[in-house]
This record gives sequence, C-alpha cells and structure tokens, in this order.
Amino acid sequence: QKEVEQDPGPLSVPEGAIVSLNCTYSNSAFQYFMWYRQYSRKGPELLMYTYSSGNKEDGRFTAQVDKSSKYISLFIRDSQPSDSATYLCAMSERAGGSYIPTFGRGTSLIVHP
Amino acid sequence: DAGITQSPRHKVTETGTPVTLRCHQTENHRYMYWYRQDPGHGLRLIHYSYGVKDTDKGEVSDGYSVSRSKTEDFLLTLESATSSQTSVYFCAISEEMNTEAFFGQGTRLTVV
Repeated sequence: QKEVEQDPGPLSVPEGAIVSLNCTYSNSAFQYFMWYRQYSRKGPELLMYTYSSGNKEDGRFTAQVDKSSKYISLFIRDSQPSDSATYLCAMSERAGGSYIPTFGRGTSLIVHP
Repeated sequence: DAGITQSPRHKVTETGTPVTLRCHQTENHRYMYWYRQDPGHGLRLIHYSYGVKDTDKGEVSDGYSVSRSKTEDFLLTLESATSSQTSVYFCAISEEMNTEAFFGQGTRLTVV
C-alpha cells in the first residue's frame, strides 16, 4: 500500500459545481500538506499549503486536514472549465533538513460548460 | 513562472545509450530535485540536492546518477537507458526546508 492514496478519477462535473478532492495517508508523521494543480503537459504548481490540522481558504479553494483520520481534502467552489486539470496532493514530515514531499497519483478533474 | 529551465524538452534515445538531462535555475534556491511521472504512479523522487556537491537518493534512484557542480545546475544522467526509463522527468527547486517547491516544464524521454 502506498503511503498516500488518491483516486485517479476522472471526476467530471458541470460548471458551477462544488468539487471535493481527497487523499488518505498512512504515515502519522506527516505534518505539511499541499495541493498542486497540473495542467496537461505542464509542471505542477502549488495551490494550497497547510501545516497540521484545520482549514485554509484561498478564494474558491479550501484545503482541509484531518490528522486523526489521516484524510485531507480540497474543495473548489463555483468550479470553472479552467479548473480542469490534474490535482495532486502531497505531504511531508520534517526529515533531515530537506523538503521531500510524498505525492499522491493525482485526480483528473474535468469541468464541463 | 519561477526561473527553471529543463533541457531538452523532448528526447528519443536508444536502449543502452547514455542520456543527460539538465535543470537550470535562476532563483539561487538551495534545494533541487528530480522526479519522474508515470501513469498510475504519480510523481516519484529520483534524487535530490541540498547544496553544491551534496546529493542524496530518492525513492527510485536505481539506474540514475546526478551531479551538482554549481548552485544553478542539476544534471540527471541515465548511464545506460532502458525502456522502463521512458517517462516525463520534472525538475523542482525550493528555497529552504518545507517551503514551496517550483517545478519545471518537464522533459519527455522515450527510450526505444
């Protein structure tokens, strides 16, 4: 079993829908949680970054971390066709002074007009 | 976009030949990473560097070597390419521990 599990999808939703993307993990030492967005044939770009448990909101995006359940979520409100991309979760622990996240496989999201 | 340039962007090579991919940054970030991305596996760390001439192995380092002789350049070498190394390779950089990582545009490598 991988340390980070993420359903690859694809997840197809209509424009305007609320999207929920999720990851589960097994390593209780993870403390830093990230969501990256990757458009086709591009490199990933950081969307959200949270430390430990709780919620973080940035515009239409909300990241949620539940360390007791080892479960993280990314919510997208009022989804747009431009949100169509692959979303990767990533997480890391403080290890040897370097930032080495473990990535999920990514969930492909399609928002259709 | 963060100043990261990967070269080449596309390469087709034959099995058994050596291949070197280059990552160049203009951000003066301390940490540099090489990942490969494959369907069903996501991003997997190959090697990383935490300073000039300071490198360490990642999850899938077999068959790969790296070098960092200058802050701005991180080279990934496949000594003898195999078909299993057909993948998209991403370089990433980060300033310090647990700060944002910026990714390059990727290099699509095909080994035939």
